[in-house]
Amino acid sequence: ETGVTQTPRHLVMGMTNKKSLKCEQHLGHNAMYWYKQSAKKPLELMFVYNFKEQTENNSVPSRFSPECPNSSHLFLHLHTLQPEDSALYLCASSRGDSGYEQYFGPGTRLTVT
Amino acid sequence: KQEVTQIPAALSVPEGENLVLNCSFTDSAIYNLQWFRQDPGKGLTSLLLIQSSQREQTSGRLNASLDKSSGRSTLYIAASQPGDSATYLCAVRSPADSGYALNFGKGTSLLVTP
Repeated sequence: ETGVTQTPRHLVMGMTNKKSLKCEQHLGHNAMYWYKQSAKKPLELMFVYNFKEQTENNSVPSRFSPECPNSSHLFLHLHTLQPEDSALYLCASSRGDSGYEQYFGPGTRLTVT
Repeated sequence: KQEVTQIPAALSVPEGENLVLNCSFTDSAIYNLQWFRQDPGKGLTSLLLIQSSQREQTSGRLNASLDKSSGRSTLYIAASQPGDSATYLCAVRSPADSGYALNFGKGTSLLVTP
């Protein structure tokens, strides 16, 4: 595997379910990101981790819970989501902060029923 | 907070045409600007990264320019092909948001017809 991978690619869950999204980067990067892409809206940053430490939480509801066990893996734990949380969730990584190019995974298409 | 605008929202051109996509941003104090391509239902593919000290970057048929003082960037696509059909996103990284966040525009949806 190369680049940034995400699993699952598609997920349908009920509002009472608990699920997790997984992201893995094979680029030797130190920073990882979660973004949300909703229809008709620009991509929104959710969380940033740099060297496994969370450096940014962009006012995301607590029903989304990130986890970064090491610099190569990033999870997004989901529980009691709402239908409006249905979106494409994208993971990205970069060598470090501000000056470096971000590389994106293919995304997880989430539908909350 | 940095605001990024892309014009036009959608564009349809015949194959072979040269075209320009526009991106503007409200705060000229930026670290860098990145252009991406997104195919329907897919992730983002990075096309070009321009640092704040640079004026342009080129990759194959793509050329991106940056005018920080006026808050503008353009993506020039030469000799367009049907395979160029996708949504093109402009994103800016700036101290106004944080050092990490990419602030995205809504994108330009491009259709190149054979």
